[in-house]
Amino acid sequence: SAVISQKPSRDICQRGTSLTIQCQVDSQVTMMFWYRQQPGQSLTLIATANQGSEATYESGFVIDKFPISRPNLTFSTLTVSNMSPEDSSIYLCSVEWDRGIYEQFFGPGTRLTVL
Amino acid sequence: TQLLEQSPQFLSIQEGENLTVYCNSSSVFSSLQWYRQEPGEGPVLLVTVVTGGEVKKLKRLTFQFGDARKDSSLHITAAQPGDTGLYLCAGGALGDSGYALNFGKGTSLLVTP
Repeated sequence: SAVISQKPSRDICQRGTSLTIQCQVDSQVTMMFWYRQQPGQSLTLIATANQGSEATYESGFVIDKFPISRPNLTFSTLTVSNMSPEDSSIYLCSVEWDRGIYEQFFGPGTRLTVL
Repeated sequence: TQLLEQSPQFLSIQEGENLTVYCNSSSVFSSLQWYRQEPGEGPVLLVTVVTGGEVKKLKRLTFQFGDARKDSSLHITAAQPGDTGLYLCAGGALGDSGYALNFGKGTSLLVTP
């Protein structure tokens, strides 16, 4: 499986500011994903990021609010823009791993609190 | 979006007890994955099942995929405090954006000594 790291692990931010979360993988992967997990909730997919193409966003999420970069096969960033307290969540990146069956492996998450 | 219903939502048991968590859907999935998530950490993949009727065992954990590939169960024998966490099932299917996972709402398990 892949080893995935995220930075920062946690942050406390002021309303109206932006935060960029980094996701680094120790292997080259085609597909990377960004999820949001609100307090006490399950995971909601924000977008899928392929290297070399625009991210594909799920319903309810837009590029202006959550811009994503995918400059190479081992790295991606998610920016949470113009934050409000409703953006307080855990943000998780994951990677697709194909070893004959499809699986996803997750990073440790970034815990964001917006004041 | 294919919905996955997990039950129970919360479970609090004593060490040594057995438990079963259920994951049900009206949709067919190509695969189904079970994750465990501990506070402050990302979900950790426990198992992937792909064949209808498949049973996989991981120490005291037994996972079963329904014959029709619409449901799954996780059974824990002789639960231990280290089993405490959020258990998530996720069904895999091919969608417009490629292969995607649909997550259940999770089962929060607390095992007390």
